[in-house]
Amino acid sequence: GQQVMQIPQYQHVQEGEDFTTYCNSSTTLSNIQWYKQRPGGHPVFLIQLVKSGEVKKQKRLTFQFGEAKKNSSLHITATQTTDVGTYFCVGGSQGNLIFGKGTKLSVKP
Amino acid sequence: DTEVTQTPKHLVMGMTNKKSLKCEQHMGHRAMYWYKQKAKKPPELMFVYSYEKLSINESVPSRFSPECPNSSLLNLHLHALQPEDSALYLCASSQDGEETQYFGPGTRLLVL
Repeated sequence: GQQVMQIPQYQHVQEGEDFTTYCNSSTTLSNIQWYKQRPGGHPVFLIQLVKSGEVKKQKRLTFQFGEAKKNSSLHITATQTTDVGTYFCVGGSQGNLIFGKGTKLSVKP
Repeated sequence: DTEVTQTPKHLVMGMTNKKSLKCEQHMGHRAMYWYKQKAKKPPELMFVYSYEKLSINESVPSRFSPECPNSSLLNLHLHALQPEDSALYLCASSQDGEETQYFGPGTRLLVL
């Protein structure tokens, strides 16, 4: 079946360092979404990418959607302790949403 | 109103109990979802309702029974659960099947 692979599973960084998480889909996606889940919280929508090669920025966060619409990345510049949480990519395909396994980010002050 | 509400926040139940989880949204969304999330795992889709009709049932055991009384409400009826069913149960809604999903805060369920 359709799968969305996400790496790394865990990332520990020093505050101020950059962070990137990557997603790859086994099939072409119609869109990709990113969610953040804080410890003890629920997933919160960050952004949706729809177009091939699309790049969107939200302050220190940069999201990319690959040209083939099968991969995506989230890059955080100069991480802060407030960035702690698990970041999920979610691929949209054929009317369904497929969750990646998430990348858990921890930030050491 | 961009909020999805869920009640209760926490639930402890025995294996012989019957309980219900409730979810509500007033964003006019036509798709509503139940997810189960175990610790350190992504949410697993259980059920999808589209226009108040069950459109997806991901091979969920019959001890979980969803209900959509109207376009704003979604219930999950629980009966004869097992300890391994203990998890965070998340409700979400979206305009349609591939649009942004808005998640509720979840119900933390413990089955003893």
